[in-house]
Amino acid sequence: SYELTQPPSVSVSPGQTARITCSGDALPKQYAYWYQQKPGQAPVLVIYKDSERPSGIPERFSGSSSGTTVTLTISGVQAEDEADYYCQSADSSGTFVVFGGGTKLTVL
Amino acid sequence: QVQLQESGPGLVKPSETLSLTCTVSGGSISSYYWSWIRQPAGKGLEWIGRIYTSGSTNYNPSLKSRVTMSVDTSKNQFSLKLSSVTAADTAVYYCASDYYDSSGYYYFHWGQGTLVTVSS
Repeated sequence: SYELTQPPSVSVSPGQTARITCSGDALPKQYAYWYQQKPGQAPVLVIYKDSERPSGIPERFSGSSSGTTVTLTISGVQAEDEADYYCQSADSSGTFVVFGGGTKLTVL
Repeated sequence: QVQLQESGPGLVKPSETLSLTCTVSGGSISSYYWSWIRQPAGKGLEWIGRIYTSGSTNYNPSLKSRVTMSVDTSKNQFSLKLSSVTAADTAVYYCASDYYDSSGYYYFHWGQGTLVTVSS
């Protein structure tokens, strides 16, 4: 079955830049989406179509894509950004949704 | 603003069938796609499947043999049934609306999630 691979954890100091990667063989064909999830809450979409930001999401959140890897970048990390982040995409057919294993962002 | 709310038993016995319903408010359920997604405690998100309001479905291949989804447009609800459950099916279950465009399927709106525990 198709998988998306994320690092389990990323740590960064306040004000620094956090980069979270997501790798998958179908990513050159399929767009990626990113969700932020805080404890006890449902996920929130922070990036769609690789690099688009939904209304209400701070400008410090950005996304990029290169080959089989997509990256979520959080510039000027704030304490409130500490959360789990999940990438999402689809298999090569575009039908079946797949989530990455998630990355815990710790703000030191 | 679309809102979703999951409902159903919080405890299911092993080998039995898990049944959940998602009620959609703030908009019509018609002409959209609707998904179920689950998350075991401390683990990642797993897409279970989606249903269109015509009744057509796509299921995660790893769960396909045990999953049935249905929709009731008159009640603005859609439902999930997962048969032959085991402890591995213990999770928070979310319903979500699929936003579909040329880029693919993704999720703006989620329910708050409901914990289902499989235990005797």
